[in-house]
Amino acid sequence: GQQVMQIPQYQHVQEGEDFTTYCNSSTTLSNIQWYKQRPGGHPVFLIQLVKSGEVKKQKRLTFQFGEAKKNSSLHITATQTTDVGTYFCSSYNFNKFYFGSGTKLNVKP
Amino acid sequence: SAVISQKPSRDICQRGTSLTIQCQVDSQVTMMFWYRQQPGQSLTLIATANQGSEATYESGFVIDKFPISRPNLTFSTLTVSNMSPEDSSIYLCSVADGDYGYTFGSGTRLTVV
Repeated sequence: GQQVMQIPQYQHVQEGEDFTTYCNSSTTLSNIQWYKQRPGGHPVFLIQLVKSGEVKKQKRLTFQFGEAKKNSSLHITATQTTDVGTYFCSSYNFNKFYFGSGTKLNVKP
Repeated sequence: SAVISQKPSRDICQRGTSLTIQCQVDSQVTMMFWYRQQPGQSLTLIATANQGSEATYESGFVIDKFPISRPNLTFSTLTVSNMSPEDSSIYLCSVADGDYGYTFGSGTRLTVV
């Protein structure tokens, strides 16, 4: 069945370095959402992308949806310790949810 | 965005017993979802709770084990029945929240001993 693959599983960066997580699907996605989950917390919605090639920015975060709508990325510029957490991508297609496995980001001060 | 109150936040239960988790939303929502998340893992959808009809369960989850109620458009419960240590997990409810994607409750951390 359809899966959303997310890489990397873990990323350790020095504060100030950039960070990127990627989601890939073997089939076309109608949409993709990104969530952040702080340690001990619950997933918090960040953004939804629906258009081919769409790019959205939230301060230091840049979200992209591929032209073929089969991949997406989340890029954080100049990470801060407040960025620590696990970032999940998710897609809702044909009445089913598909969650990526998440990328756990650790930022060293 | 919608605000969800999920209770209890955590519980330690004896095997063989049942626990009911509640989610109250501050607005009417059509679709509510129940997830399970093992620590450090991704989310697994248990079922979709529909108001006025039976819940729709995902593969691997059955109504006898995880009965769900959805009496109105702002409230739902998930019961974890006849618990075993393998049911120890974090359980989360979620609602479709329009432009805000999907909003999650704060979760219930369940430990079965």
